[in-house]
Amino acid sequence: GEDVEQSLFLSVREGDSSVINCTYTDSSSTYLYWYKQEPGAGLQLLTYIFSNMDMKQDQRLTVLLNKKDKHLSLRIADTQTGDSAIYFCAESPLTSGTYKYIFGTGTRLKVLA
Amino acid sequence: NAGVTQTPKFQVLKTGQSMTLQCAQDMNHEYMSWYRQDPGMGLRLIHYSVGAGITDQGEVPNGYNVSRSTTEDFPLRLLSAAPSQTSVYFCASSTDRDNQPQHFGDGTRLSIL
Repeated sequence: GEDVEQSLFLSVREGDSSVINCTYTDSSSTYLYWYKQEPGAGLQLLTYIFSNMDMKQDQRLTVLLNKKDKHLSLRIADTQTGDSAIYFCAESPLTSGTYKYIFGTGTRLKVLA
Repeated sequence: NAGVTQTPKFQVLKTGQSMTLQCAQDMNHEYMSWYRQDPGMGLRLIHYSVGAGITDQGEVPNGYNVSRSTTEDFPLRLLSAAPSQTSVYFCASSTDRDNQPQHFGDGTRLSIL
């Protein structure tokens, strides 16, 4: 079945890099997404990557995609206290329609000052 | 540009009461979805719609009804609230044009006593 897995917690020191990992199961997924959720707020799209790409960089964010291992990662450079939030990985399986996302459980990132 | 608007932001119900969660988008998006977010489980799809007059069930549809009479609105109805429906509910919308990702509302936090 379709499943997206993430570790639940990550703690880093301010200024260090954070790497949040995600594994997915549906190889038909055309797009993979990273969303950020701050306390009490909705989901904010951070970035997304098309399945024919290996890497995408956007300022402090770097997304790496390993299609062979079905592994997606989000690297945040120079992590700041404002980056503390829950980060969700989501896939959009081609077989389900691009509007039906499958979300991971979310990784709670805590940035220590 | 308001994006996706959800009302109310918070609600407390008694078991057995009925309620409608409202969702509206002003981006002329064809697709709209309802998710629920529970601790440690990420977001799970309740119902979705690919256009006015068309709805379908997601992963966890039991206890919920939806309708889509207009492109803009996609209300979620709880017919007889149960404590298991205590959750945070998110509405999302997207378009298939240019493979744009889903936009989320700020959520409705619902407690059933």
